[in-house]
Amino acid sequence: SQQGEEDPQALSIQEGENATMNCSYKTSINNLQWYRQNSGRGLVHLILIRSNEREKHSGRLRVTLDTSKKSSSLLITASRAADTASYFCATDLLFSGGYNKLIFGAGTRLAVHP
Amino acid sequence: SAVISQKPSRDICQRGTSLTIQCQVDSQVTMMFWYRQQPGQSLTLIATANQGSEATYESGFVIDKFPISRPNLTFSTLTVSNMSPEDSSIYLCSVSLGYNEKLFFGSGTQLSVL
Repeated sequence: SQQGEEDPQALSIQEGENATMNCSYKTSINNLQWYRQNSGRGLVHLILIRSNEREKHSGRLRVTLDTSKKSSSLLITASRAADTASYFCATDLLFSGGYNKLIFGAGTRLAVHP
Repeated sequence: SAVISQKPSRDICQRGTSLTIQCQVDSQVTMMFWYRQQPGQSLTLIATANQGSEATYESGFVIDKFPISRPNLTFSTLTVSNMSPEDSSIYLCSVSLGYNEKLFFGSGTQLSVL
């Protein structure tokens, strides 16, 4: 079963604007990860934030994690048309029996218009 | 990093037949994961495949329907058996290089069942 809920389901913005996507989850985690998927193909890892971290940056990406609220956000600054894709959060469950098992959220479809 | 070669990239199959999807990794990995992504949906974990042991299936997935082989540390197959149109999905393999780390994904197999 999915543990992550994302909002919005779809986001449409103009180039140069910022895009913010939110993810909420239900159970304790080792880490939370964000992935990008173009046109329903393989996923590309964007950023991983561990449960003891609160904020992480990578280029134009900024991820925050609030474990007390069981939520995370992904901010893409100065968006480009090439950022058009689906974005998924994934939670790495704490129990996992010695290996990580990622559970994916429903995803946000981002459209960036030139 | 890990590079995953997944094939076939797409197939159109008849109801009642079976399809075997292959994943080859360019390095030895302990854990491989198989996901299903139904049209317009998020990823759902089918099973986790350890080399040398039986795959561990998630709730709602059974070995008779989705048999998995893991003969060595660089290769795995997933078979979708006795297919019906409801099996039309993208199937993705992924690997992790360590506990509490990110996943690398193959490019996916787009399966359509008529």
